[in-house]
Amino acid sequence: DAGVIQSPRHEVTEMGQEVTLRCKPISGHNSLFWYRQTMMRGLELLIYFNNNVPIDDSGMPEDRFSAKMPNASFSTLKIQPSEPRDSAVYFCASTLFTGTRNTEAFFGQGTRLTVV
Amino acid sequence: QQQVKQSPQSLIVQKGGIPIINCAYENTAFDYFPWYQQFPGKGPALLIAIRPDVSEKKEGRFTISFNKSAKQFSLHIMDSQPGDSATYFCAARLTSGGGADGLTFGKGTHLIIQP
Repeated sequence: DAGVIQSPRHEVTEMGQEVTLRCKPISGHNSLFWYRQTMMRGLELLIYFNNNVPIDDSGMPEDRFSAKMPNASFSTLKIQPSEPRDSAVYFCASTLFTGTRNTEAFFGQGTRLTVV
Repeated sequence: QQQVKQSPQSLIVQKGGIPIINCAYENTAFDYFPWYQQFPGKGPALLIAIRPDVSEKKEGRFTISFNKSAKQFSLHIMDSQPGDSATYFCAARLTSGGGADGLTFGKGTHLIIQP
């Protein structure tokens, strides 16, 4: 398996523009997580899905952020409109929940977002 | 509110030394405590993990010590090598009945192993 695949790896956009980050989880995994990493705040959980259903989005910073998981193999994180303070590395991770326990969380390579 | 506190922020150790990184948590419902290693430009990767029913776990040169009553756990790296230089994150997670919960991470420790 190729692991968790994120695209793009790098994104530079102007303030006010819409940004869409993409994630393909590991095949067979049924839980997907979006994290944001900054120097100041470290790794923060933004939202996660179990079986394609959003479970907890309390980490999403503002209404400008939204996430979808239309099927088991694809998720998007959208920021509209983007602001310079959204600049960070965004990670997607996936796990398999067996009904009693989770496997380890596998992370993608991340998308480095710069909003100018 | 930071639920997982990690220290130190940075650490420099000579090759062969034993760096120790400490974490403390607040939520007694956490039932899974992993350590992740991250190299520049890469995503975090699981290094070793422990559940609260054991006090110690070893995998190769890496050991987790867990103190449930103190709500603390630590990572020890034996015979450290320059290739171990990376950022290390402790984390905690609880498993709800309905599925996976996300990881709560410490702020990270930037470790440098000097040759």
